[in-house]
Amino acid sequence: DQQVKQNSPSLSVQEGRISILNCDYTNSMFDYFLWYKKYPAEGPTFLISISSIKDKNEDGRFTVFLNKSAKHLSLHIVPSQPGDSAVYFCAPSQRRFGAGTRLTVKP
Amino acid sequence: SAVISQKPSRDICQRGTSLTIQCQVDSQVTMMFWYRQQPGQSLTLIATANQGSEATYESGFVIDKFPISRPNLTFSTLTVSNMSPEDSSIYLCSARAGPYEQYFGPGTRLTVT
Repeated sequence: DQQVKQNSPSLSVQEGRISILNCDYTNSMFDYFLWYKKYPAEGPTFLISISSIKDKNEDGRFTVFLNKSAKHLSLHIVPSQPGDSAVYFCAPSQRRFGAGTRLTVKP
Repeated sequence: SAVISQKPSRDICQRGTSLTIQCQVDSQVTMMFWYRQQPGQSLTLIATANQGSEATYESGFVIDKFPISRPNLTFSTLTVSNMSPEDSSIYLCSARAGPYEQYFGPGTRLTVT
């Protein structure tokens, strides 16, 4: 099942710079998209969501962009902090989680 | 939001035995979910557990192998039956406490030898 793809297994950025995590999907029927953050030995934590009727949602340092025509969404973290180092999952429903992207923010 | 606890946090079990994982939510929730996360992989939904009805299992998961109980709106259990080494995984309990977002427990790390 490849309905949700996070093609970059890992990403490394310098503290203070922007982190951009990407997610592609195939099913145009998804009506919302969520991002979760996961630290080692913990369960995923809800981070931010976006409805399919919007193209942007912002919450503090975190912004999610949705491009429905491209079936693509991205999570921007600005400025990145070392505490943001975690695995980030894109999830358009409780049934579909991406493979995750491991973000490392270097001091 | 919801705070979710799971017991046990980890266990090492013998092949052929069963393990029951408990999940407690600090508030009443309608929908609870059980996931598996195998090493190096993403989360896979095992089943959705609603209070007062039988759990709904995803393709590839069956009740005989993963029986689930949901006796009330704050508690659920997942049993991993007749375990084999392929069942070694992290098992996560989750609850929906908002329109879409889910809250997860810390997980149960199971190793089957």
